[in-house]
Amino acid sequence: IAGITQAPTSQILAAGRRMTLRCTQDMRHNAMYWYRQDLGLGLRLIHYSNTAGTTGKGEVPDGYSVSRANTDDFPLTLASAVPSQTSVYFCASSVNRAQPQHFGDGTRLSIL
Amino acid sequence: GESVGLHLPTLSVQEGDNSIINCAYSNSASDYFIWYKQESGKGPQFIIDIRSNMDKRQGQRVTVLLNKTVKHLSLQIAATQPGDSAVYFCAEKDFGNEKLTFGTGTRLTIIP
Repeated sequence: IAGITQAPTSQILAAGRRMTLRCTQDMRHNAMYWYRQDLGLGLRLIHYSNTAGTTGKGEVPDGYSVSRANTDDFPLTLASAVPSQTSVYFCASSVNRAQPQHFGDGTRLSIL
Repeated sequence: GESVGLHLPTLSVQEGDNSIINCAYSNSASDYFIWYKQESGKGPQFIIDIRSNMDKRQGQRVTVLLNKTVKHLSLQIAATQPGDSAVYFCAEKDFGNEKLTFGTGTRLTIIP
């Protein structure tokens, strides 16, 4: 079944550790996105990529980095995790910026 | 500033009745609006979208209405079913911007 796969589904991490959240899509969508979802704050854009080889900063990029080496994969890295990065992280993709975004089922990340 | 909000944080509806979920937005430059459904432990699921040059769009059991004069968006769900219980988000986008701005969500509960 075509869609977006995120891994891991959940993770508990010690503060200061490095962590990479994985996202893979098999829909050949050009654009990919990373959001975090926090209670009362809704979904906020962290980073995006309009096409393979390009990335851009979203609303809350600090402490996160991304890469887009190919069309299918868009990993999100926390270089040195802090407790405020405890959240649910969603990856999304779309054909282009003018089409709806489709979401994975998220990674629940707790930083202790 | 830009904002997308919902009039009601919770809504309870009898099974079989119609539901109406409302959303206000403040960015008059928004070109595109989307409704998402999010079930517990899942990512947002695309329901229906509408572009700013339209007033109404219908899908299967769902209708989205856009009133640009008062910057109001609504989602109508006909003949609600228990599976419609979820949190519903509206989102808006200016095509000149990467950011998809989400509202904080309305929880819809279907009463059997």
